[in-house]
Amino acid sequence: ETGVTQTPRHLVMGMTNKKSLKCEQHLGHNAMYWYKQSAKKPLELMFVYNFKEQTENNSVPSRFSPECPNSSHLFLHLHTLQPEDSALYLCASSQGAGAADTQYFGPGTRLTVL
Amino acid sequence: AQSVTQLDSQVPVFEEAPVELRCNYSSSVSVYLFWYVQYPNQGLQLLLKYLSGSTLVKGINGFEAEFNKSQTSFHLRKPSVHISDTAEYFCAVIRLTGGGNKLTFGTGTQLKVEL
Repeated sequence: ETGVTQTPRHLVMGMTNKKSLKCEQHLGHNAMYWYKQSAKKPLELMFVYNFKEQTENNSVPSRFSPECPNSSHLFLHLHTLQPEDSALYLCASSQGAGAADTQYFGPGTRLTVL
Repeated sequence: AQSVTQLDSQVPVFEEAPVELRCNYSSSVSVYLFWYVQYPNQGLQLLLKYLSGSTLVKGINGFEAEFNKSQTSFHLRKPSVHISDTAEYFCAVIRLTGGGNKLTFGTGTQLKVEL
């Protein structure tokens, strides 16, 4: 499945580093999402963008900064993270932002914060 | 508030045996229901979804699920599993009133198929 790609697949960073996660969808969708998947916890929605506009911020700390320059690309900028931010970060996209619009997921970026 | 409960964190089963993965939800409004599968080192893939109509939903890879409104359940079943079904399975809901397209997930069930 190459509809939604994410880079890098693995990232190790120190607490003082600044890094970015990239997501690209090749499905012609208009909505994009960031999710966090931590061990033993349910997937948590972080951000939603629809037609490049942010429509949901699920009380995410400001050390996570999303950017959506167009409907095909979504970034997650990271700075001064904490070890508890280590997780799998999943990007998803859907045709629209309605409840019936299926979300298609990328393979994720495995982030480790030292 | 809504929540999704997957009581079984792990389900071991022998190949060609039937399997049922349980999912219960709580919501004060109507919901759409989903099952996703995650294979090792991959993202989530939609198995099936219930939006309306027949309560028995058929999905990919021979899986099916039945929506039971009175029991607020959406259990996933397969009559005969294969080794390749080994993966983690997630149940999720979207609230139809005020929920937008926000998926709420359960904690997942690890299905391990053994020879």
